[in-house]
Amino acid sequence: SAVISQKPSRDICQRGTSLTIQCQVDSQVTMMFWYRQQPGQSLTLIATANQGSEATYESGFVIDKFPISRPNLTFSTLTVSNMSPEDSSIYLCSVEGLAGATYNEQFFGPGTRLTVL
Amino acid sequence: AQSVTQPDIHITVSEGASLELRCNYSYGATPYLFWYVQSPGQGLQLLLKYFSGDTLVQGIKGFEAEFKRSQSSFNLRKPSVHWSDAAEYFCAVALYGGATNKLIFGTGTLLAVQP
Repeated sequence: SAVISQKPSRDICQRGTSLTIQCQVDSQVTMMFWYRQQPGQSLTLIATANQGSEATYESGFVIDKFPISRPNLTFSTLTVSNMSPEDSSIYLCSVEGLAGATYNEQFFGPGTRLTVL
Repeated sequence: AQSVTQPDIHITVSEGASLELRCNYSYGATPYLFWYVQSPGQGLQLLLKYFSGDTLVQGIKGFEAEFKRSQSSFNLRKPSVHWSDAAEYFCAVALYGGATNKLIFGTGTLLAVQP
């Protein structure tokens, strides 16, 4: 398996500001994803981060609110823009296509715990 | 629509007792199924997966799961629970094809282990 890191691990932000979360993998992967886990709830896919092109967003999530970059095969960022308290969640990145892993097997980073005041 | 149901929100078992966490899915084709565990303040760790073949799959930490197509179920089991197993457990089904490979997660089961 690979090492997946996220920065920051947690943050407390003021409403109206933006936060960029980084996801770094120590080996190349084909797919990278961003999920949201609201307090006491399950995980919901925000978008698929595509290398070299625009991210693919799920219903209910838009690029203006959650811009995503993926400049290469090991790194992606998710920005939470113009934050409100409703954005308080854990944000997790996951990867697929690690060498030696089975097709469709996703591995998750440790998550970023965001609190918006 | 595809969905995953974990009917038990919270389960408490005694250390050393057996455990079964339920998972039911709704998916038109043969599913790819997963169980993940999330310890407090941690990310998700893959316990086991089912893609095809033997319907009883073995995972890490002594866990196993059985795929039953007739019941649309993929229940997680462990014969003897350890205190360190206290965590939240998520069942997921993979939807794949096209531009997106998506995991649909259940709502999770929070496991408490009492001495």
